[in-house]
Amino acid sequence: EAQVTQNPRYLITVTGKKLTVTCSQNMNHEYMSWYRQDPGLGLRQIYYSMNVEVTDKGDVPEGYKVSRKEKRNFPLILESPSPNQTSLYFCASSLSGTPPDTQYFGPGTRLTVL
Amino acid sequence: QQPVQSPQAVILREGEDAVINCSSSKALYSVHWYRQKHGEAPVFLMILLKGGEQKGHEKISASFNEKKQQSSLYLTASQLSYSGTYFCGTEKAGNQFYFGTGTSLTVIP
Repeated sequence: EAQVTQNPRYLITVTGKKLTVTCSQNMNHEYMSWYRQDPGLGLRQIYYSMNVEVTDKGDVPEGYKVSRKEKRNFPLILESPSPNQTSLYFCASSLSGTPPDTQYFGPGTRLTVL
Repeated sequence: QQPVQSPQAVILREGEDAVINCSSSKALYSVHWYRQKHGEAPVFLMILLKGGEQKGHEKISASFNEKKQQSSLYLTASQLSYSGTYFCGTEKAGNQFYFGTGTSLTVIP
């Protein structure tokens, strides 16, 4: 089944404790992206990747890191999480990024930083 | 730079029609529409490319006026399954993607 998977689905952590949210897609998509969703603010792009080893900042990249060492994986790293990073995170992928094509979203990861 | 949607929220009875608008202060090269049901991930509805074309998906259609930098989503004869939050989205040069502010749609029996 074609899908985007994210792990974990729920995470409660404390300020400053490094964490990684994994994202994987099995559709051989070139474009992958991370979004955060907050009430009243909609979905905002954190980082995106056009292909392996090519990543770029989105609208709200501060406090996040990403890597794209393999086409299928696009982990989101929070090296020192803070409470303002409490949010619902979605990973998405699309066949092409030029222009952005249909995006397929993972199920989401709800992160709480205490 | 985030596209602005209106209305923010709308409540409909089954069978009624609705229009959701999306406007941008920047030039729109294309407009994407997604629907997100409560507690779920956004799901793609359609993409409109510049040229004023109208596309359809079941009883949901959309138009795109690139000169006015606007797009509208039309939901006709709404069904309970149409409830959710609708987002428009567009790309920026460099392949960054922006979603709109969202419109909550509730269809009641």
